[in-house]
Amino acid sequence: QSVLTQPASASGTPGQRVTISCSGSTSNIGSNAVAWYQQLPGTAPKPLMFKNNQRPSGVPDRFSGSRSGTSASLAISGLQSEDEADYYCAAWDDSLNAWVFGGGTKLTV
Amino acid sequence: QVQLQESGPGLVKPSETLSLTCAVSGGSIGPYYWSWIRQPPGRAVEWVGYISNIGRTNYNSSLRSRVTISVDMSRNRVSLTLSSVTAADTAVYYCARQHDLLWFDPWGQGALVTVSS
Repeated sequence: QSVLTQPASASGTPGQRVTISCSGSTSNIGSNAVAWYQQLPGTAPKPLMFKNNQRPSGVPDRFSGSRSGTSASLAISGLQSEDEADYYCAAWDDSLNAWVFGGGTKLTV
Repeated sequence: QVQLQESGPGLVKPSETLSLTCAVSGGSIGPYYWSWIRQPPGRAVEWVGYISNIGRTNYNSSLRSRVTISVDMSRNRVSLTLSSVTAADTAVYYCARQHDLLWFDPWGQGALVTVSS
């Protein structure tokens, strides 16, 4: 049971916009920045978003992030077949004094 | 560009100690925090612990009694040991550079460790 809650799956067709949610609490998302990671099959997670809505160099602007209260979301516009992957949210938890991750969302395009 | 490479035995017997090394190239390990993160087959990622730039460690409470993270500045590498392993410790283990309490970047490619007799 993950501390951060994500939908197990999401889907969309090429060109569509999809949103993946991440729900937490006041001790994690409510207090600290959220990061998102993309994991393509058989590879290591790759940073997609940090500080809620900042994209690392090289990440297309089709990806955007937001945070409100104790929830965060990742939006992908202009969906492409290569976006098919698992997506994880993460944040520091002040109460647990630990990093917490979501259970991951499998995106099917 | 900083690159991370995990290495270590791919098979460990139950009750024994898992030991992995993360070689850091393209930059010094000194100024940063370094984390280990693991992912059991088919499951979500789980944070194992980190070591800070001043050598302070912080571990996942579920693993605290069994885990040690250390750094070797002279060899620019980070190490992980996990004692008394069971099948539940079978996972791909990743090392990652941690930016304060913000995010992990980059990640190593991961090392699969299987616990089996």
